[in-house]
Amino acid sequence: KAGVTQTPRYLIKTRGQQVTLSCSPISGHRSVSWYQQTPGQGLQFLFEYFSETQRNKGNFPGRFSGRQFSNSRSEMNVSTLELGDSALYLCASSFGTANQPQHFGDGTRLSIL
Amino acid sequence: AQSVSQHNHHVILSEAASLELGCNYSYGGTVNLFWYVQYPGQHLQLLLKYFSGDPLVKGIKGFEAEFIKSKFSFNLRKPSVQWSDTAEYFCAVNAGGGATNKLIFGTGTLLAVQP
Repeated sequence: KAGVTQTPRYLIKTRGQQVTLSCSPISGHRSVSWYQQTPGQGLQFLFEYFSETQRNKGNFPGRFSGRQFSNSRSEMNVSTLELGDSALYLCASSFGTANQPQHFGDGTRLSIL
Repeated sequence: AQSVSQHNHHVILSEAASLELGCNYSYGGTVNLFWYVQYPGQHLQLLLKYFSGDPLVKGIKGFEAEFIKSKFSFNLRKPSVQWSDTAEYFCAVNAGGGATNKLIFGTGTLLAVQP
């Protein structure tokens, strides 16, 4: 079966701009989680969506937001980009319960100039 | 706050050597534990998971991990490593109960296996 698909793979933006990242989960998965991966902070949880509702949220500022559509596809938006937002953004999907593993996409590499 | 500690940041081994990577978590309730691996240029892949039952779990590629509740540990082991095991390994815990997918990750261990 097809894996988790993230688009685009690479993005270059400048400070102050906004960006939208997309994630298509594995067919049948209703939960989509987003993570930020940086060399300094490692993998950090951003938020999780389940059935179009945000179910969990990490400790990130309000500039980071997301949504999920009825087909379980999810988007993540970052507004007023800062240099520190440069990172690999990973999306993971699962059936939705804690005892089901999450499957990760290849990520979107965001670089802020 | 929940946290996961991986004590080894960089490990260098020769092929056929045994591997043990430490992982400790801080959470007193029911946890679901995972080890993920990230091979160079690839996405995170699940190695193994523990939810309940036998504390010794076996994963892919000959890896296993042991859950020791009293020590809050979930160490990863492999009796004999291969060059292809060169990768970054992440321990993660989902401590949110049945209706959450919030993974807390350790900082990762970079394993280099020399042929």
